[in-house]
Amino acid sequence: DGGITQSPKYLFRKEGQNVTLSCEQNLNHDAMYWYRQDPGQGLRLIYYSQIVNDFQKGDIAEGYSVSREKKESFPLTVTSAQKNPTAFYLCASSMGRGGKTQYFGPGTRLLVL
Amino acid sequence: RKEVEQDPGPFNVPEGATVAFNCTYSNSASQSFFWYRQDCRKEPKLLMSVYSSGNEDGRFTAQLNRASQYISLLIRDSKLSDSATYLCVVDATGFQKLVFGTGTRLLVSP
Repeated sequence: DGGITQSPKYLFRKEGQNVTLSCEQNLNHDAMYWYRQDPGQGLRLIYYSQIVNDFQKGDIAEGYSVSREKKESFPLTVTSAQKNPTAFYLCASSMGRGGKTQYFGPGTRLLVL
Repeated sequence: RKEVEQDPGPFNVPEGATVAFNCTYSNSASQSFFWYRQDCRKEPKLLMSVYSSGNEDGRFTAQLNRASQYISLLIRDSKLSDSATYLCVVDATGFQKLVFGTGTRLLVSP
């Protein structure tokens, strides 16, 4: 089946710890995105990548890092510098660049212990 | 002004009712418009793209009004399964990304 997978579904982080969220797609999409969703708020863009080995900061990149070494993978690291990491993290991908239809993975819920 | 604005609702309607949501956007140069549906604690899923001439998909009709910079979603014959949050999505300045509204919550009751 084609689609986007994210793992884990739930993730617990201790204070001062870095954690990495996985996002994989087999849709052969060029562009991939990471969003954060807080209760009652819209999706906010963290990082996006339009091509392998290239990525751009979104609106709330501070405290996060990404890599795009392979077309199908776009992992997100939540670093200890992110002071309020508890949120629902969504990965998406789209064919081509710009305002194209985005398809989402099932998300990862990150909780701080 | 926010790039995309929606009434958060909730809109409470009985089964079989017709309900409409509007969404306004600030960038007059925007070219791509979408409605997504998000169920509680789930990922957003594409409901439909919105085309300049308006488009229909079964019970759902989307309209674009460029002059007033708003898009609308009309749902006819509401079903219980239509209960969800509907996200208005517009491409942003520079067209490198999409901007998501905060969503309008719909509750359909028996």
